Amino acid sequence: ETGVTQSPTHLIKTRGQQVTLRCSSQSGHNTVSWYQQALGQGPQFIFQYYREEENGRGNFPPRFSGLQFPNYSSELNVNALELDDSALYLCASSRNRDRGNTEAFFGQGTRLTVV
Amino acid sequence: AQTVTQSQPEMSVQEAETVTLSCTYDTSESNYYLFWYKQPPSRQMILVIRQEAYKQQNATENRFSVNFQKAAKSFSLKISDSQLGDTAMYFCAFMKHDNTDKLIFGTGTRLQVFP
Repeated sequence: ETGVTQSPTHLIKTRGQQVTLRCSSQSGHNTVSWYQQALGQGPQFIFQYYREEENGRGNFPPRFSGLQFPNYSSELNVNALELDDSALYLCASSRNRDRGNTEAFFGQGTRLTVV
Repeated sequence: AQTVTQSQPEMSVQEAETVTLSCTYDTSESNYYLFWYKQPPSRQMILVIRQEAYKQQNATENRFSVNFQKAAKSFSLKISDSQLGDTAMYFCAFMKHDNTDKLIFGTGTRLQVFP
């Protein structure tokens, strides 16, 4: 068990709605990254948060936004949902890179379906 | 931009046999990390093995080993003594050595282990 938990596990939303996905990082980890995994594809990097600040962003529009809280848990918010947003959303936590640790621990993901 | 290519969408192997999964990548970076992740039906990404580009010695983890050819930008995974529990999607991933832990994934190889 990696200790990274995501909620909810499954979600169905209507096009145009907004959604919030949540991630609790593993104990001792201060960095959280979010990935979108479309069906049959590898995960795509959305963005990363380190000590409550965005620390890198992938090629996703501004309607994808996030937050990291003082306890290092994180939220991913998606506004104006589109059908193509249907995917598995994965959260990964890791320690500060400066400590030489590169291993990311993943949660089980949230399956989002937009209808 | 970095890219990761997995040219084998599906592979199968008999229990106790050996199988090799291929991965190639493209980068102009000299310092980076390469990973193999396993994603079983539970959806959680599990780190299988990691290789630092500056290390010439191939990484090994029990039944898992890699063949890292830096000049050819090739990073294959060998699974020895395959077990039924090895059945999963396998993703090759690249991480640049910078201040983010951004992983760039390939499209994955579905491995089926038969009894």
